[in-house]
Amino acid sequence: QSALTQPASVSGSPGQSITISCIGTSSDIGHYDYVSWYQQHPGKAPQLIIYHVVNRPSGVSNRFSGSKSGNTASLTISGIQAEDEADYYCSSYTSSSALVVFGGGTKLAV
Amino acid sequence: QLQLQESGPGLVKPSETLSLTCTVSGDSISSGSYYWGWIRQPPGKGLEWIGSIYYSGTTYYKPSLKSRLTISVDTSENQFSLRLNSVTAADTAVYYCARHLPTRTFEYWGQGTLVTVSS
Repeated sequence: QSALTQPASVSGSPGQSITISCIGTSSDIGHYDYVSWYQQHPGKAPQLIIYHVVNRPSGVSNRFSGSKSGNTASLTISGIQAEDEADYYCSSYTSSSALVVFGGGTKLAV
Repeated sequence: QLQLQESGPGLVKPSETLSLTCTVSGDSISSGSYYWGWIRQPPGKGLEWIGSIYYSGTTYYKPSLKSRLTISVDTSENQFSLRLNSVTAADTAVYYCARHLPTRTFEYWGQGTLVTVSS
């Protein structure tokens, strides 16, 4: 069982917007603004797409955006495209003895 | 451009030791400000942080793996390594090495290497 809770799957049609939630606790998401999101295509390494809740690394499309409210972080992808079909993982800094916790991942079907 | 590359055996027998090395190019491990970590992903499953090391040698381990795990750094070779002993089939996974910030943002990842535990 993962420390952060994500829906197993979400789906949408091209051009729609979708949101993936990531539920944590007051020891991780609720306490720190250090939530990251990663995109992983089949057979590939994860790629950072959002860090520190809302920031995008250089080169990442502005169709990806992040937010946080309380113990829940969210990733929104606007105008989804076929190339966005992938697995998405959230992670957070944690005050537990582990440095970081990951969500179980969400498969996006376009 | 920073690159990380995992290397090591792809097959390990149960009860033996899994050993992997991550070679870093494009930056010095000793440059400071960054941590160097290992993450694994069992087939068809999610990501699991295993442990991290700072260039000074300070280590951080996932509590449930701490008794079996050793992470070390060789600054002269610009490499860091993972040793996981007494492996079982549950340790079968793709193992990734990565660089992360103090805020636990994993910026750069290696391509990953599949390690299968089987006799």
